[in-house]
Amino acid sequence: EADIYQTPRYLVIGTGKKITLECSQTMGHDKMYWYQQDPGMELHLIHYSYGVNSTEKGDLSSESTVSRIRTEHFPLTLESARPSHTSQYLCASQGIMNEKLFFGSGTQLSVL
Amino acid sequence: RKEVEQDPGPFNVPEGATVAFNCTYSNSASQSFFWYRQDCRKEPKLLMSVYSSGNEDGRFTAQLNRASQYISLLIRDSKLSDSATYLCVVNIYGGSQGNLIFGKGTKLSVKP
Repeated sequence: EADIYQTPRYLVIGTGKKITLECSQTMGHDKMYWYQQDPGMELHLIHYSYGVNSTEKGDLSSESTVSRIRTEHFPLTLESARPSHTSQYLCASQGIMNEKLFFGSGTQLSVL
Repeated sequence: RKEVEQDPGPFNVPEGATVAFNCTYSNSASQSFFWYRQDCRKEPKLLMSVYSSGNEDGRFTAQLNRASQYISLLIRDSKLSDSATYLCVVNIYGGSQGNLIFGKGTKLSVKP
């Protein structure tokens, strides 16, 4: 079973708030990813990292930012949340050897 | 042409039926392949990797055809609990978007 955790599981906040979605993994994986997914829709990659101090934007334009100061931690920050940010955010990590992607349980974000 | 294409379905089948999904990919540099299962409002979970020689896991069989650039998933004796969205994932070494390309998913609904 994968050891990757996301908090909070659900978040309801007002417009304009700054929020940070947490993602941590204890598998020592170098590669980590953030995806955004609306109900019944496809996954969209918004950020990824190949290791400490490495961050890249994905194929979906996003107003969020990420950091990778430690291998196990890959938080995502929205400086000023808007209703258009309402979505599910999924964090994932991938080891070098097995290539399999392990997902956290996701954060369901609702911005009012 | 999208890098990874799947028939979105939905596939509505009765219990006990055999159902097959195909997934085509366009990048010949694709190196590894996976099928993930995603339940409604849950994170994707690895169902099985797809090996060149084909592989089987209980009622599930995955096959890869490199010449025609497609992978397939066969589910035999389908159960109600098989109802989910099945995602095809292609790993491209040296890809620009974090290497992993997800299909949009094929929705399966197994009816009593």
